[in-house]
Amino acid sequence: SQKIEQNSEALNIQEGKTATLTCNYTNYSPAYLQWYRQDPGRGPVFLLLIRENEKEKRKERLKVTFDTTLKQSLFHITASQPADSATYLCALGDGGGATNKLIFGTGTLLAVQP
Amino acid sequence: GAVVSQHPSWVICKSGTSVKIECRSLDFQATTMFWYRQFPKQSLMLMATSNEGSKATYEQGVEKDKFLINHASLTLSTLTVTSAHPEDSSFYICSASRGESDTQYFGPGTRLTVL
Repeated sequence: SQKIEQNSEALNIQEGKTATLTCNYTNYSPAYLQWYRQDPGRGPVFLLLIRENEKEKRKERLKVTFDTTLKQSLFHITASQPADSATYLCALGDGGGATNKLIFGTGTLLAVQP
Repeated sequence: GAVVSQHPSWVICKSGTSVKIECRSLDFQATTMFWYRQFPKQSLMLMATSNEGSKATYEQGVEKDKFLINHASLTLSTLTVTSAHPEDSSFYICSASRGESDTQYFGPGTRLTVL
């Protein structure tokens, strides 16, 4: 069955460092992968989408890589700030339009210490 | 742009009653809306996908007679939990898609507690 794994343990880093979160998947060939941020008691907020033919995507302090051979995506936050503390979810989609379903990972809790 | 709201943000009800949750796209027309459920420390699990004017498509294991979904317009979808039981207590989140991309925009979620 399809499986998505993210770091199950919380990631604690010091302010200013780069946070790297991992998303691995099996039994799936996604057309794209997305990263979301979720704060406690809130809905997910879309951050980045990367397609299967893209290796890397950047947006301000965020960088996502997508390796379809390794079946892995890495999510980096550079110059991390305490405000970046949240749970980060990766989600895989089949692509092709609005009705495509997303399959979510369980998320990784990031805590940035001042 | 691409703001999605949900109402109510939280609700407490007695076992056996029905609860309706609204999901609205405030500044765009959503051709498709999705309903998810999230238990504590778990992932978002898709319950159903609905297109405006059509019957919802439910995921395997989700009872369509218990979780009624109506998508009457391009900006509103409702989820009604019928005859709610304590095991239905969860965080219900909707999302909406504009149709021209694969991005889903999520609402803030509704916390349902069934006593």
